[in-house]
Amino acid sequence: AQSVTQLGSHVSVSEGALVLLRCNYSSSVPPYLFWYVQYPNQGLQLLLKYTSAATLVKGINGFEAEFKKSETSFHLTKPSAHMSDAAEYFCAVSPSGAGSYQLTFGKGTKLSVIP
Amino acid sequence: DAGVIQSPRHEVTEMGQEVTLRCKPISGHDYLFWYRQTMMRGLELLIYFNNNVPIDDSGMPEDRFSAKMPNASFSTLKIQPSEPRDSAVYFCASTQRRGGRSNEQFFGPGTRLTVL
Repeated sequence: AQSVTQLGSHVSVSEGALVLLRCNYSSSVPPYLFWYVQYPNQGLQLLLKYTSAATLVKGINGFEAEFKKSETSFHLTKPSAHMSDAAEYFCAVSPSGAGSYQLTFGKGTKLSVIP
Repeated sequence: DAGVIQSPRHEVTEMGQEVTLRCKPISGHDYLFWYRQTMMRGLELLIYFNNNVPIDDSGMPEDRFSAKMPNASFSTLKIQPSEPRDSAVYFCASTQRRGGRSNEQFFGPGTRLTVL
């Protein structure tokens, strides 16, 4: 069984400030982890993914996430928020075994960027 | 590539009517997923297919919901009869098996369903 917990359904940051969106996972097998972004009235777009290679993963739009096994965490960060980062962000987990293609999503965190 | 295509983008119908949502996955992808997104329940997996065969439909809420994939380039999600509580955004996603490793899912733009 696997699950994802995203702490904070809504996060507000000032433009130029650090963005930190938290994700903790639970998985009975080594996981693959993903961050997706959803802009208003659009589908989900992949930001980055961890698939058991480097623990620090860099994604699009300046985002990165670090896989910490000891903390079962995969927090998303960006050094400097931009107005265009305002969106909803979803963390997801998938088993790493062959043939496992289901994603389990967290509830999402809505990011607001204040000018 | 055109990406995952869904139609219609918006659907407004009355309670009791049949609703059919359509999806065309990315060419070459052999997994197709249907999700439902609501404020209360977030993003839920309804059903997924592999090579046009339904693998897991445990997320389908009721017998009123059915999904088919007659070929590799087309899938439908049908609700009959529809109810107001079915109002949600329905997403289709696809992915391709590659060496047995988990791959990202590519999402369509969604269909916003409103049942009056």
